[in-house]
Amino acid sequence: DAGVIQSPRHEVTEMGQEVTLRCKPISGHNSLFWYRQTMMRGLELLIYFNNNVPIDDSGMPEDRFSAKMPNASFSTLKIQPSEPRDSAVYFCASSLAGIYGYTFGSGTRLTVV
Amino acid sequence: AQTVTQSQPEMSVQEAETVTLSCTYDTSESDYYLFWYKQPPSRQMILVIRQEAYKQQNATENRFSVNFQKAAKSFSLKISDSQLGDAAMYFCARSMDSNYQLIWGAGTKLIIKP
Repeated sequence: DAGVIQSPRHEVTEMGQEVTLRCKPISGHNSLFWYRQTMMRGLELLIYFNNNVPIDDSGMPEDRFSAKMPNASFSTLKIQPSEPRDSAVYFCASSLAGIYGYTFGSGTRLTVV
Repeated sequence: AQTVTQSQPEMSVQEAETVTLSCTYDTSESDYYLFWYKQPPSRQMILVIRQEAYKQQNATENRFSVNFQKAAKSFSLKISDSQLGDAAMYFCARSMDSNYQLIWGAGTKLIIKP
C-alpha cells in the first residue's frame, strides 16, 4: 500500500483565495482525520470521519473551513476564503478503528500571503 | 479532563547513549491504547511503538522500548544506542474508548549530540 496520500505537498496562495487540500486514505481504513499543526498550537484535530460520515467537526475553526468525504477513498479540506492565519501544515491521517494508531500523510504546508 | 502530558519540552543525548522520554496521562477507562510517534524535520509523522493497556508486558521495537506503569498512568519511551537519525519531535498519544480519536501530548524535541 502506498500509505496515506496528500496533495499538494506545498501550497502558496493569496489571501482571499480558495484552497483545497486532498487526501486518499489507506484502503480498508474506516476512519479519516484532518489535523492542523502550528508552532503555537501544536496538533489540532479539525474534523474526523467514520465510514465516510463526519462524526466531530468541533475543531473546525470557522465557517470558512469545510471538509467532505464523498467515498471511502477520497477526502477534501477546503478553506474559502483563506487568511494568513490559516498558514500551517495540514495533515490527513487514516485508521482502522483507532486501536492501531493512525497512519499519517506527508502533510500539506499551506502559506497564505 | 482527559489529558496527555509530556513534561520535557526538549531533551538532548549523546550519540550511542540511552534516553528516556516521559509521558503521563489521565483516564477513567480501563482499556485503551498508547502510542509514541516520531516527527523528524521532514515533518512525516511516524508511529514508533504501540502499547495495549490490558497487556502487562512492555512493548519493544528494536532500540525503542516503553516502560508502561498502568497504575501510575505513565508511559515512557526509552531509546537505546541513540542515533543521529533519532533526532525529532516525539509525541505521546492515548486512544479514547468512546470514539476513534487520539489525545496528544505537546511533544518532546529530542536532540542527538554527535
